[in-house]
Parts: sequence; structure tokens; C-alpha cells
Amino acid sequence: DIQMTQSPASLSASLGETVTIECRASEDIYNGLAWYQQKPGKSPQLLIYNANSLHTGVPSRFSGSGSGTQYSLKINSLQSEDVASYFCQQYYDYPFTFGSGTKLEIK
Amino acid sequence: EVQLVESGGGLVQPGGSLKLSCVASGFTFRDYWMNWVRQAPGKTMEWIGDIKPDGSNTNYAPSVKNRFTISRDNAKSILYLQMSNMRSDYTATYYCVRESGDGFDYWGQGVMVTVSS
Repeated sequence: DIQMTQSPASLSASLGETVTIECRASEDIYNGLAWYQQKPGKSPQLLIYNANSLHTGVPSRFSGSGSGTQYSLKINSLQSEDVASYFCQQYYDYPFTFGSGTKLEIK
Repeated sequence: EVQLVESGGGLVQPGGSLKLSCVASGFTFRDYWMNWVRQAPGKTMEWIGDIKPDGSNTNYAPSVKNRFTISRDNAKSILYLQMSNMRSDYTATYYCVRESGDGFDYWGQGVMVTVSS
């Protein structure tokens, strides 16, 4: 199975700041990576697919980058509504696997 | 509007069985791979398995293989998850998820399953 190592586990930042979340795959996943946002008590929502493509309706302050085994999610100009948990997921190979999640809070 | 509505959750004893359903609407159900994903309390997501659009092929996570069965009724736009020989660590919220080919683009609201005596 492909292991997804996500960091940090939690993050606290001020409004307007830029934050970055990282995911490392245990082998090359050839950009088969998605990022999801899960607000408290809600279902996850797709933010980024194919490592760097923005899903429909997602604000442009979210961006994804990376290749091979290293990927990142960047949130520019942090807003209060960005308080959530964020998960990466590889869908390059079965079984699909998720990162452990990053909980983002506002300072 | 795409909607995925799960049902069938509840309390089940260890070793017991339970069948979840997911009614899909707002899109052509028979055109999409569908998945089940679960999230134990306070934990990350765990992919359970998926099923091909025509129902001819399924894939499962090793942790549930031979215990869970995914099926679908394309005429009724319903996805199923049959769970058997359940364990306490199967306690989780179970999500029905549409796969676009580029990630999981729509998730249901989730249904809670508790395995306890």
C-alpha cells in the first residue's frame, strides 16, 4: 500500500497569512493526488485534484503543487471560513489512501 | 444538483451484519465509479472500496476484503454496502462518494455506524 505522510498535524495562523500543508507519498504517485477540506461536522469537499488543478467553485487562494512523492497545499490570504481539517489522498493506485489530516485554526 | 443520501446506519453487535444504502440523484449514476469511505471518530478517512459503473468490478481495502460487499442498482440509482462479521473498530461515519476520475468530487452527508455490545 502507498503510505501518505501529512504534516503538520495542526496549524495555527493569523487572518491574511499564507499557510502550507505537505504530503509525502511512500512511492511515486504521478500526480494522482487530491486535497480535501472538512469543516467541523460536515462532509469533506474536494479542493484540488491531479495535484494542482482547482476543483470547480474553489477560491483561487487555494493552490496545489508538487510531483513524484512530494506535494503541498497552499492557502493564501487566510480567511475565517478556512478553519477546517485538510486531508490529502492518493488515487494513483489501489488501495486509495489518505493522509492523517491537518487541523487549521485561526490565531 | 448532485445529492448522495446514505441510510441504514445504527447500532450493531460485534459479529453482526448491516447494510447501508446510498440514493444518488442529480447526475447519471450509471456513468460513474462509486466509493465508500469511512471516518472513525477523531480519525482520518479510510477508503473502503469502489465499484465500476456497470457493477462488473469491485475493489476493496485489505482491512475489509471478504467482510464487506459493494453493489449497485443502476435502475434505481442506489449504491449499497453490505457489512458482515463486524468489529468494534468498524465504528465510524460511512460516506458514499462519487469518483470523477480526478478525485472524489461529491460526498454524502454520512451515516453513523456503531459496533458495540
